[in-house]
Amino acid sequence: DSGVTQTPKHLITATGQRVTLRCSPRSGDLSVYWYQQSLDQGLQFLIQYYNGEERAKGNILERFSAQQFPDLHSELNLSSLELGDSALYFCASSHSRLAGGQETQYFGPGTRLLVL
Amino acid sequence: GQNIDQPTEMTATEGAIVQINCTYQTSGFNGLFWYQQHAGEAPTFLSYNVLDGLEEKGRFSSFLSRSKGYSYLLLKELQMKDSASYLCAVSPSGSARQLTFGSGTQLTVLP
Repeated sequence: DSGVTQTPKHLITATGQRVTLRCSPRSGDLSVYWYQQSLDQGLQFLIQYYNGEERAKGNILERFSAQQFPDLHSELNLSSLELGDSALYFCASSHSRLAGGQETQYFGPGTRLLVL
Repeated sequence: GQNIDQPTEMTATEGAIVQINCTYQTSGFNGLFWYQQHAGEAPTFLSYNVLDGLEEKGRFSSFLSRSKGYSYLLLKELQMKDSASYLCAVSPSGSARQLTFGSGTQLTVLP
């Protein structure tokens, strides 16, 4: 158990719908990262938040958005869903000291999204 | 941008040693990670290298050569439970610490 929690574990929805995925980081971690893993694309970075602010953006679609709340939990919103959005969505967290080297990211169990 | 290459599949026998290679090309570099991922589960951290050389951690070791853009993960005394996908990931330089992952190497350990 990494200490990162994600809900829900599974989500089945229809095309055109909107869903929200939730992530709680490990205690004391300030950074949250969202990744998408599909069969044909591998694990792809979407977006990073640090202490409530967006820090980095990857190949995140405009239909997707995220935020990090004052209690440091994060939500990933996916709208106008398409069949191709079906994937595993992982959240990871790290402490992310402002100075210093790279820190290990610990991954949550993921949310499996199926768009029908 | 970043490009990471690793073999798609490898097979080895229980009790043996296997080496999984990873080559990368990046515009900035702040370290290389190895993660293990069982099917349908979360990636779990195995090792981190930022300086050249070998890092040993029990049955697992990881090597990095920054000048050659090369790393390998060495797994000794293979066990059946080591059957999994092994992901090589690179962190860019700068304050953002997102990881760029390779496609993963699916290791099958046979009895």
